[in-house]
Formats: sequence, structure tokens, C-alpha cells
Amino acid sequence: QVQLVESGGGVVQPGRSLRLSCAASGFAFSISAMHWVRQAPGKGLEWVAVISSDGDYKYYADSVKGRFTISRDNSKHTLYLQMSSLRPEDTAMYYCAKERGAGDLDYWGQGTLVTVSS
Amino acid sequence: AIQLTQSPSSLSASVGDRVTITCRASQGISSALVWYQQKPGKAPKLLIYDASSLQSGVPSRFSGSGSGTNFTLTISSLQPEDFATYYCQQFNSYHITFGQGTRLEIK
Repeated sequence: QVQLVESGGGVVQPGRSLRLSCAASGFAFSISAMHWVRQAPGKGLEWVAVISSDGDYKYYADSVKGRFTISRDNSKHTLYLQMSSLRPEDTAMYYCAKERGAGDLDYWGQGTLVTVSS
Repeated sequence: AIQLTQSPSSLSASVGDRVTITCRASQGISSALVWYQQKPGKAPKLLIYDASSLQSGVPSRFSGSGSGTNFTLTISSLQPEDFATYYCQQFNSYHITFGQGTRLEIK
């Protein structure tokens, strides 16, 4: 069965960096586009970034462009999100998600919580 | 960027009711509209893609319709497990945007 397991969240001070990981299993990871989506406490869903199956194409939300980097290692079936210059408004549950087709996300991880606070 | 506006923001209904949630796009998106259900403390679950295609395993009481700028999610007969928050989503030019969500509560 498809599994996506995020890790790497925690409490971090403003301006610092953090790297999230998402371990994938149960599907053809190397041919699937993958996304990061976040949700601030009590708020709605916000898309963060997408990476193509081969890693050649990456797109970001304006709110994180220049600060976050999405990447993947197909040999390890793992997706990453490198977050730098973190701000309090980056505090959220971060989900990785598999793309089914044209931008719809059919499998999601359980999320990892990032708290940016001094 | 394309914006999605859901209405209503919240809704109270009873088991057995027929419920409709609307999502309006700021510009035409053909049928590239997706619906998710999210329960507290859980990840979103894909319900409908391509505006009207039911995801495998999703009960047939869920249906989606619309194209262009106006879309609807309908639950034909509410079940206790359907009380949750529902989000629409579009994908355009490699960017995703979500609606603000509709919270469906028990009356």
C-alpha cells in the first residue's frame, strides 16, 4: 500500500534552517511528481512546491520562493524540502503528497509540524 | 494567480440531508478542479478530480460538476462520517491554489 512518511519537523528559531524528508513506498516513486503542502494551525491548505518525477522541474509558491528548495532522491524513494530563512509565518503542518495526474494529489503523508519561534 | 472562492464558509446540516458546496474560480480553468475532504488532525483525502471524476473508493453519494469558473460538490445524503472540512483546488501553470475551505457541521 502507498505510504508517505514525513520527518524532520520541530521547533526552530526565526532565520534558521530545517530540512524535511518524506519517505515513499508502495508506488512507482520515480515516475511520480511530488508536492509539499502546508497548513498553519487552524487555517486552510497552502501549496508550497512541486517537483517533477525526474527532478528537472521545480515550482514554488511566491511565499517561499528563494527560501525553500524542493528536491528528491529517486534511488532512496525520498522527497525533501530544505527550508531556510524561516519566519514565524512558516509555522505549519507540512504534508508531502503524490500527484495522481494533472495536479490532483491522491496520497498524502500524516504531516510533520514545523514551529518557528524564538 | 488564479483564486478560488468557496461558499459557504461553514454549513450546518443533518444526517440524510443533501448538501451542495460551491467553488468559483477567478478565471476559467476548464475542468481542472479537485475536491478534498479533511477531518480534524488528519491529512486531506482526494474525493473528486477533473471536476466530476470520483476517486476510487469514494462513496457514490459524493459528486462533482461544473466547468470554466463555477463548480459544485454535492453530497446526496449526508452520513455521520461526512462531517468535515472540504477544500477545492486548481492546478494551473504548475501552481496549485486551494479554496479557503467549507466546514460542514452537524445541526
